[in-house]
Amino acid sequence: EAGVAQSPRYKIIEKRQSVAFWCNPISGHATLYWYQQILGQGPKLLIQFQNNGVVDDSQLPKDRFSAERLKGVDSTLKIQPAKLEDSAVYLCASSLDLGTETQYFGPGTRLLVL
Amino acid sequence: KNQVEQSPQSLIILEGKNCTLQCNYTVSPFSNLRWYKQDTGRGPVSLTIMTFSENTKSNGRYTATLDADTKQSSLHITASQLSDSASYICVVSDYGGATNKLIFGTGTLLAVQP
Repeated sequence: EAGVAQSPRYKIIEKRQSVAFWCNPISGHATLYWYQQILGQGPKLLIQFQNNGVVDDSQLPKDRFSAERLKGVDSTLKIQPAKLEDSAVYLCASSLDLGTETQYFGPGTRLLVL
Repeated sequence: KNQVEQSPQSLIILEGKNCTLQCNYTVSPFSNLRWYKQDTGRGPVSLTIMTFSENTKSNGRYTATLDADTKQSSLHITASQLSDSASYICVVSDYGGATNKLIFGTGTLLAVQP
């Protein structure tokens, strides 16, 4: 079974630039999550989708972050404009359904904002 | 406030030795507790999961314990190997309805030296 795929693996940008990350969850998984993991900390949930609808985006900085999952499969997370403090690893995870608590994580995208 | 605290922050041990990592939580309602292993540059991978009624769970050389009364958990690693070097994250779920929100600890960084 293929795991959660993410791209790119690494990204370096200057502050005020825009960046987008892509996630392809495990086939058949209805629930998709985006996490931000700052160095030395545990992951922080940014947004959670159930199919193509948003379940929880309470910790998403909506003035600069946006995410979509238009067809209920792949998802993109965008930052516009980026700030220095956005430097982190962005993890995508998926689970079979909302009530299924096993989340499978992708390898993450490491973002460095200069 | 739902929180998960881990100790120590980091740990260095010699190959072949045992070690124990600690996790204290204040999460309510409690659904389950997981220990994740996160290798450098990779997403977290679930090692064990315990519900309220379970006191111990093993996965090879990893043994997790849970005391739901004191809200404490530990992860014991037996006969450590170089490949055990990673960050170990304690994650508590407060699933109580439609969503399964995970509360992550900040992790314990383990380095196993030859």
